[in-house]
Amino acid sequence: EGELLESGGGLVQPGGSLRLSCTASQFIFSRFAMTWVRQAPGKGLEWVSGISGSGGSLYYADSVRGRFTVSRDNAENTLYLQMRSLRAEDTAIYYCAKVMSAFCGGDCYLESWGQGIQVTVSS
Amino acid sequence: QSALTQPASVSGSPGQSITISCAGTSSDVGGYNYVSWYRQHPGKAPQLIIYGVSYRPSGVSNRFSASKSGNTASLTISGLHSEDEADYYCCSYTDNSTLVLFGGGTKLTVL
Repeated sequence: EGELLESGGGLVQPGGSLRLSCTASQFIFSRFAMTWVRQAPGKGLEWVSGISGSGGSLYYADSVRGRFTVSRDNAENTLYLQMRSLRAEDTAIYYCAKVMSAFCGGDCYLESWGQGIQVTVSS
Repeated sequence: QSALTQPASVSGSPGQSITISCAGTSSDVGGYNYVSWYRQHPGKAPQLIIYGVSYRPSGVSNRFSASKSGNTASLTISGLHSEDEADYYCCSYTDNSTLVLFGGGTKLTVL
C-alpha cells in the first residue's frame, strides 16, 4: 500500500503561512489520488483536501477553500499543502493519505496514512 | 456541513458483538454507496477497515462487517478482542461542496 511521511509542521502565528509536504514511497505515486485529513486536539477526523493522480482535479473542504492549496510533484513523489491565513482553529495533526483510486470522487477511500504532523497556530 | 452522527461511546466484553451506527442524510450516507469506516488506536494514524459500505480491505479481520439501511450505516465487530479498543469513524461521500464527510467518532471500550 505504500509509505507516507509528512514534514513541514510547526508553530505559526495567526494569519501566517505554512507548507506541509508528504513524501511517498513503495507505490506508483502518479496513479493514485492523495488527500489531507486533520485532527484537532481531542477531536475527530476532518477531511481537508484532495488531488487526483495527475494533479488536474483539486478538492477542498468548505472550511479551507480559498486559504489552502493542494498540489503534487509526481516526479518527486511528493504531495504538498500550502496553508495561508491560518487561524487558531486550524491547529491539528495533519495526515496525508493515499486514495484507493486515481480520483477522489465518490470512492475516496483512504487506504494508507502517514504518521501525521503537528500544526499549531498561536501567538 | 455537520459531521455524520455516531454514538460517542460503546462498550462490550471480550467475545461479544457490538454495533456502531452512523447517521447521515440523503445527500451522503443514504444517497450513495460510498461509506467507509476507519479504526484509530490512541496516538496512531487511522486505518481503513471497511469501504464501499461493506467491503473489507485485504488483511482486515472478517470479525468486522458493515451494512447500510436508508440514511444510516452500521459497523459490527464480532468476537471482541482487547485490541479492538479504539476510536472508530465512519466516512461518506457527500454531494455538497465539501465532498467527504467524517462521523464524529465512537470510542469502543472492551470491558
